[in-house]
Amino acid sequence: GQNIDQPTEMTATEGAIVQINCTYQTSGFNGLFWYQQHAGEAPTFLSYNVLDGLEEKGRFSSFLSRSKGYSYLLLKELQMKDSASYLCAPEDGGFKTIFGAGTRLFVKA
Amino acid sequence: GAVVSQHPSRVICKSGTSVKIECRSLDFQATTMFWYRQFPKKSLMLMATSNEGSKATYEQGVEKDKFLINHASLTLSTLTVTSAHPEDSSFYICSASGGRDSEAFFGQGTRLTVV
Repeated sequence: GQNIDQPTEMTATEGAIVQINCTYQTSGFNGLFWYQQHAGEAPTFLSYNVLDGLEEKGRFSSFLSRSKGYSYLLLKELQMKDSASYLCAPEDGGFKTIFGAGTRLFVKA
Repeated sequence: GAVVSQHPSRVICKSGTSVKIECRSLDFQATTMFWYRQFPKKSLMLMATSNEGSKATYEQGVEKDKFLINHASLTLSTLTVTSAHPEDSSFYICSASGGRDSEAFFGQGTRLTVV
């Protein structure tokens, strides 16, 4: 079956760095998305990884290891507005995007 | 990025009535649109994949006669919740993709409350 595992909640301090891990099992694999979702709003795109390695985009970076079925999202210089849910979403062999339950990140002052 | 408009953002309806939700891609042609349902603190659950000019493909467990999807044009897909019941109350979100490996552009979502 298809399974995505990421922590339910995390708390971090403003200005700090936080890493949100995700492990997945899918029927085939084409790539992995990370989305940010604020409460009551639609998700917004953060990153898409196809190849192994780290991709950096401003304060956010995303890492992928295809062989390990593992990804993480790294958020640097945390801001209060980063408090949101972060959804790990692998794309299976049929190009269907599977969404995890998300990690709720709380940023405190 | 591309814009997807979803309407209405909120709707309250009486039990037994039907509600239509529209999803429009404003600046690109979306051959495929997706409809999701999201319960509080839960992940997005894919309900169906909508392809322009053909019947929607429903996920297992989703009643196609209850959740009618029409994708009449490359820029518009609609989801109609028929004979709504309180258990249908949820957050419904559409997304449109420019193709495989492409990011999905989400509509603003519709908060449906059935009373």
